[in-house]
Amino acid sequence: AQTVTQSQPEMSVQEAETVTLSCTYDTSESDYYLFWYKQPPSRQMILVIRQEAYKQQNATENRFSVNFQKAAKSFSLKISDSQLGDAAMYFCAWHTNAGKSTFGDGTTLTVKP
Amino acid sequence: DTGVSQDPRHKITKRGQNVTFRCDPISEHNRLYWYRQTLGQGPEFLTYFQNEAQLEKSRLLSDRFSAERPKGSFSTLEIQRTEQGDSAMYLCASTRTGLSSYEQYFGPGTRLTVT
Repeated sequence: AQTVTQSQPEMSVQEAETVTLSCTYDTSESDYYLFWYKQPPSRQMILVIRQEAYKQQNATENRFSVNFQKAAKSFSLKISDSQLGDAAMYFCAWHTNAGKSTFGDGTTLTVKP
Repeated sequence: DTGVSQDPRHKITKRGQNVTFRCDPISEHNRLYWYRQTLGQGPEFLTYFQNEAQLEKSRLLSDRFSAERPKGSFSTLEIQRTEQGDSAMYLCASTRTGLSSYEQYFGPGTRLTVT
């Protein structure tokens, strides 16, 4: 099965603290890319961070970084120095060159002031 | 780059009626995706186009659903004989082959309510 599993339906973090969102995936594709997207309430989905599966180095974008464990098919997102604007639903996803696309069911992140 | 647009943003229809949604992708993007998203769930893949060709269609998509992208630019998604279970947000996304990672750019969605 080609799936994405986000085991944490809800997470909460104190402002300025660090939080990690978990994601595991399963795919038989050899050429794929992994993503974290953010969907704020009533707003459209935007990209947070991407990881090419053929790269061992973990991607980083400012306060956002990933821990990519290819053998374990694990792709977690770490948000450092959490801000109120980080509150949203976060989706883990993989896409392939051939056009296949699968999303997880999301993790709702609450940021407490 | 004006982003992905979708029309209408909201649609309320009675069960049994047909509805059609439109998506305009980013102009240089040759791949276009349709997803369905219900409350608290992730986007569920429906279908995708590369240029005007529909290359994949979800097995979850019943015969009441059809999508077109006649000139490789905008796309339409039609639902015939709507049912209450069709109530959802319908998302469109686009991307371009040749991008380094195939990230998708999403539109704001069309929220369908079937009464």
